[in-house]
Amino acid sequence: RKEVEQDPGPFNVPEGATVAFNCTYSNSASQSFFWYRQDCRKEPKLLMSVYSSGNEDGRFTAQLNRASQYISLLIRDSKLSDSATYLCVVNYGGSQGNLIFGKGTKLSVKP
Amino acid sequence: GAGVSQTPSNKVTEKGKYVELRCDPISGHTALYWYRQSLGQGPEFLIYFQGTGAADDSGLPNDRFFAVRPEGSVSTLKIQRTERGDSAVYLCASSLFSEDTQYFGPGTRLTVL
Repeated sequence: RKEVEQDPGPFNVPEGATVAFNCTYSNSASQSFFWYRQDCRKEPKLLMSVYSSGNEDGRFTAQLNRASQYISLLIRDSKLSDSATYLCVVNYGGSQGNLIFGKGTKLSVKP
Repeated sequence: GAGVSQTPSNKVTEKGKYVELRCDPISGHTALYWYRQSLGQGPEFLIYFQGTGAADDSGLPNDRFFAVRPEGSVSTLKIQRTERGDSAVYLCASSLFSEDTQYFGPGTRLTVL
């Protein structure tokens, strides 16, 4: 079983739509959680960190449920420029600094 | 300021050859990471340096892969006797300290023919 699993996608939505991505992780020792965005043939870039209390950044809202080992990302009023692959990422913290990535979910926002 | 840079951006080699991939982290960043991303997959961890030493090399797939960071800044990932299955994008990331945000370089696209 993969350590981080995401919706397979692709998600094809019209501009202005609300879209939600889900992610589950298998290791309860995970300490930090993130969503990264990756444009085609580019490097991943941090979109936002995810906290237990939930956090919002403009049109983007991230939620973490530690009991269910579940992470979500909600994008409201989607824009053409939101088209990208969204990667769910966890980190065990401590001496293990490496990030563990899901396969990513591709989003395509159409006019 | 300058971000993480990687050279070359593209590398085409023949099966069995040796390759070196270079990463220049953000100045002052103590932690450096190498990841490998195959088509349709998320990046997979290879090795992590804290300063000059490899703090975790558990992601290196076999002994053909080796990485160094002799002065705690630039790092080189070395692959011996390349195989077609080594074809991927090799990403480098750095962070100020090990638990800080990781910033990725543009990657080196390696193609083994």
